[in-house]
Amino acid sequence: KQEVTQIPAALSVPEGENLVLNCSFTDSAIYNLQWFRQDPGKGLTSLLLIQSSQREQTSGRLNASLDKSSGRSTLYIAASQPGDSATYLCAVRPGDSNYQLIWGAGTKLIIKP
Amino acid sequence: EAGVAQSPRYKIIEKRQSVAFWCNPISGHATLYWYQQILGQGPKLLIQFQNNGVVDDSQLPKDRFSAERLKGVDSTLKIQPAKLEDSAVYLCASSPGTDYGYTFGSGTRLTVV
Repeated sequence: KQEVTQIPAALSVPEGENLVLNCSFTDSAIYNLQWFRQDPGKGLTSLLLIQSSQREQTSGRLNASLDKSSGRSTLYIAASQPGDSATYLCAVRPGDSNYQLIWGAGTKLIIKP
Repeated sequence: EAGVAQSPRYKIIEKRQSVAFWCNPISGHATLYWYQQILGQGPKLLIQFQNNGVVDDSQLPKDRFSAERLKGVDSTLKIQPAKLEDSAVYLCASSPGTDYGYTFGSGTRLTVV
């Protein structure tokens, strides 16, 4: 059974720092992995989608990597800003699922001005 | 393109009352999902539709929850009767297919008192 873990559960860093959020999964047979952002009381915003054949995806100051063999993905945020404060969730689509995603519990990120 | 539309944004009801949520996915997206997200947790899939057929409703509490997607477009999720533990954000998402990520609506925050 696929399980997704995100560590740490919360992270607080000063503005301007580069930071890495971690996501690990137990079964390497995945179809894709997606990173989302969630602001308090809001829905989820898709940030990056990495297909199983890809190693990384980039969007602006965000870079997501995928290492299936080790069951890990990282989300790198460069030059963090207070507006980046949110909860970041990763979700894995197992290779044998009907599009169902397996979710991590998220990392709550606070960027201090 | 227009995003996933959900209504209402907020709802407060008393336990044992009924409530309904509405979702209109992105035009052309065949797959529609309803998720329940309890505070501090990742989303939990309630039901997945492919066009107007149910693909997965294994985690839907069918004694009180029901969902339909008539004509394969918009969808409604109903709770009757509501319990205190149903307090959560109900998220609707849609996807065009297996190689694409999900797009989420802004969610409906339900409080049962």
